[in-house]
Amino acid sequence: AQKVTQAQTEISVVEKEDVTLDCVYETRDTTYYLFWYKQPPSGELVFLIRRNSFDEQNEISGRYSWNFQKSTSSFNFTITASQVVDSAVYFCALSEAETNAGKSTFGDGTTLTVKP
Amino acid sequence: GAGVSQTPSNKVTEKGKYVELRCDPISGHTALYWYRQSLGQGPEFLIYFQGTGAADDSGLPNDRFFAVRPEGSVSTLKIQRTERGDSAVYLCASSFTGGVTEAFFGQGTRLTVV
Repeated sequence: AQKVTQAQTEISVVEKEDVTLDCVYETRDTTYYLFWYKQPPSGELVFLIRRNSFDEQNEISGRYSWNFQKSTSSFNFTITASQVVDSAVYFCALSEAETNAGKSTFGDGTTLTVKP
Repeated sequence: GAGVSQTPSNKVTEKGKYVELRCDPISGHTALYWYRQSLGQGPEFLIYFQGTGAADDSGLPNDRFFAVRPEGSVSTLKIQRTERGDSAVYLCASSFTGGVTEAFFGQGTRLTVV
């Protein structure tokens, strides 16, 4: 069985601070995919990134960066110089099957509040 | 349409009633997923369609829940004899194929059973 744990329920930072959201996963598969989604107050989940289990290169996209470490089963997400618009619930998710990647197991999310 | 559309956005129903929730995926997307999200939790997988057929319905909690996608586009999630525990946000997502492609989510239907 697969499991995703986001230990931080809520995080509050002041604008321009850096913040890291933690994600730890469990799976028995050797091939799997990890995702991060953002859920703003409107409720729609917004895809941020997908990473497959064979690619441990870290990725940077603007103010966002992701640190994938297979050895610790972690896929952490860092926002640099946070902004008020970053306030949302962030979900980490895991998919095990290449042909059914939409079937994901989600963590319970981390609510990020960025104060001005 | 431009995105995944779900109707209604909110639905309040009495315990024991039947409800239907509709999902209109992005045009051309063959894969469609239903998730349920309870307050303070992440989305929980319910069912996955590839085309018209349910490829994986392992997440449906019991036989009161049923979903269809008769023409491979619009999908309807049906809940019979609703219970208060069914109250949640029901999310629909679609993707171009069932493979490792980005899934696009709708804004969800908030179902409240009173």
